[in-house]
Amino acid sequence: DAKTTQPPSMDCAEGRAANLPCNHSTISGNEYVYWYRQIHSQGPQYIIHGLKNNETNEMASLIITEDRKSSTLILPHATLRDTAVYYCIVRVKNTGGFKTIFGAGTRLFVKA
Amino acid sequence: GAVVSQHPSWVICKSGTSVKIECRSLDFQATTMFWYRQFPKQSLMLMATSNEGSKATYEQGVEKDKFLINHASLTLSTLTVTSAHPEDSSFYICSAWTRNEQFFGPGTRLTVL
Repeated sequence: DAKTTQPPSMDCAEGRAANLPCNHSTISGNEYVYWYRQIHSQGPQYIIHGLKNNETNEMASLIITEDRKSSTLILPHATLRDTAVYYCIVRVKNTGGFKTIFGAGTRLFVKA
Repeated sequence: GAVVSQHPSWVICKSGTSVKIECRSLDFQATTMFWYRQFPKQSLMLMATSNEGSKATYEQGVEKDKFLINHASLTLSTLTVTSAHPEDSSFYICSAWTRNEQFFGPGTRLTVL
């Protein structure tokens, strides 16, 4: 799996957009960008994933640069409950249960 | 989404005893499950890959005789921490894939006194 680089922590005001960057300069052509988050003392939760096009779902938007070497997860209106560690992971998309290796992630603090 | 459960959610045991943690896929079958360990303020560390009907695959540095994994059915994998010591105190998380997505259990917090 390609290595990813994320800032260790970020702050965001409640109600504002949270933009979490991720660098994955060694990403391969068949590797997807996945985002998960982990709220304190819980298991990780899937957020979104994409290959090269921007993606949006009910939780977030994912913006992937044209060269695919970096991406940004956007939480459009952050709430206090979005305070968590966010993990950016690059991996192949596989139905067979390919293992996921977690990096250090970004600790997002949403403040009132 | 799919549900992965773990039991117990927390456990306290004495040093030297063994502890079994169960991971179940509630609404799907999982031929492969994964076990992670997480120490405070650290990321998840993959311990092993649990394969239904065969031996688990352990990551480098993980003692297979200490962390016994049994994947006896398509919906259940167990992790047994044998002869637990205080340094084994951690948050243990399992996960499984279905429908191109990976789902994680809620975790089990193990405290060894």
